[in-house]
Amino acid sequence: QVQLQESGPGLVKPSGTLSLTCAVSGGSISSGYYWTWVRQAPGKGLEWIGETSDSGSPNYNPSLQSRVAISLDHSKRLLSLSLTSVTAADTAVYYCARGTGSYRPFDFWGQGSLVAVSS
Amino acid sequence: DIQMTQSPSTLSASVGDSVTFTCRASQTIYTFLNWYQQKPGKAPKLLIYATSDLESGVPSRFSGTGSGTHFTLTISDVQPEDFATYYCQQSFTTPITFGHGTRLEIK
Repeated sequence: QVQLQESGPGLVKPSGTLSLTCAVSGGSISSGYYWTWVRQAPGKGLEWIGETSDSGSPNYNPSLQSRVAISLDHSKRLLSLSLTSVTAADTAVYYCARGTGSYRPFDFWGQGSLVAVSS
Repeated sequence: DIQMTQSPSTLSASVGDSVTFTCRASQTIYTFLNWYQQKPGKAPKLLIYATSDLESGVPSRFSGTGSGTHFTLTISDVQPEDFATYYCQQSFTTPITFGHGTRLEIK
């Protein structure tokens, strides 16, 4: 069974960098999956941050593209997220998820990591 | 970006009812539409992918239809564990986008 587990600081200062990792256990980390980050601000809906896969370069939401980087370490089975120049608007629960197949549904999710941006 | 619009924002139902959620895309997404259920404090759970394919382990009372820009999710015989928020998501093109969700509440 595939399991995803996010980890990282729960508090980041404004203008700082948000860094999270997602440990992937069980299943293949390659084979055409889209390893994805999604966030959810308190009381709000879901926002796709971006994804990475074996098939090409990472793909980011244009609204965050200038500040975000996503990478996948196959040997450590670790998905990473970096978001720079954060503001209070970046306060959210951050989820990692696995997208699969051509319809790319997110079939496995981490439990989520709450990150607050505050001084 | 493709905008996904869900209606209504809240739906009230009783156990045993049949309910239908609507999701519209701002342009055609063919059948690249997935549905998720989210309960408070939990990660979303995939229910239906590719408009109408039931994810493994999801009860058959959940069903999805649609194509192009108009999609629906139906729960027949609503159960107590179904009261949650439901999101649609298009995966036709990036950026992948979600609807704002429909909350199913107990009448």
